[in-house]
Amino acid sequence: AQSVTQLGSHVSVSEGALVLLRCNYSSSVPPYLFWYVQYPNQGLQLLLKYTSAATLVKGINGFEAEFKKSETSFHLTKPSAHMSDAAEYFCAVSVMIGNEKLTFGTGTRLTIIP
Amino acid sequence: GAGVSQSPSNKVTEKGKDVELRCDPISGHTALYWYRQSLGQGLEFLIYFQGNSAPDKSGLPSDRFSAERTGGSVSTLTIQRTQQEDSAVYLCASSPRPFGGEQYFGPGTRLTVT
Repeated sequence: AQSVTQLGSHVSVSEGALVLLRCNYSSSVPPYLFWYVQYPNQGLQLLLKYTSAATLVKGINGFEAEFKKSETSFHLTKPSAHMSDAAEYFCAVSVMIGNEKLTFGTGTRLTIIP
Repeated sequence: GAGVSQSPSNKVTEKGKDVELRCDPISGHTALYWYRQSLGQGLEFLIYFQGNSAPDKSGLPSDRFSAERTGGSVSTLTIQRTQQEDSAVYLCASSPRPFGGEQYFGPGTRLTVT
């Protein structure tokens, strides 16, 4: 079975500073990896996904993530935080066996300090 | 275009009552997923539909939970004899194909069992 670990349930950064949200995965087969963002009282919005095409993946709103097989990591970064980035972020994994149901991490709440 | 819609947005019910939650996926999306988001359990997969069939029901927590999908479109998640531990946000997602397709999430139904 596959799993995801997100390090840090809460992360605070100053506006304009680097955002780094950590995600490590476990999977016995090549995974698909995703980052989703959830704003208060809303559903999940896909930020970016890795499906083996390229290890550096660019997403919406200036976010990107790098797949590192040797470290089993898929950390999310953004060079300069904006107040509108405050939200909860979920890393998720799926594998192409049967269906692509997502297994989520526990989430990281990002706070932006003005 | 229209996204995934869910109804009702909020549902308060008494313990022991049955509830039905509805999901309208994006038109043409063949794959449909139900997830549950709760404080104690995080985001967890419930059931997957491909067309009208459900090849993966492994996430349904008990036999009080059931779901169906008709016409390859609308899906209904039914919870019988609701319990307080069923209180959660129920999220529906659809995807244009079972493999390699992004999952688009609806806004969720917040269920409160009193």
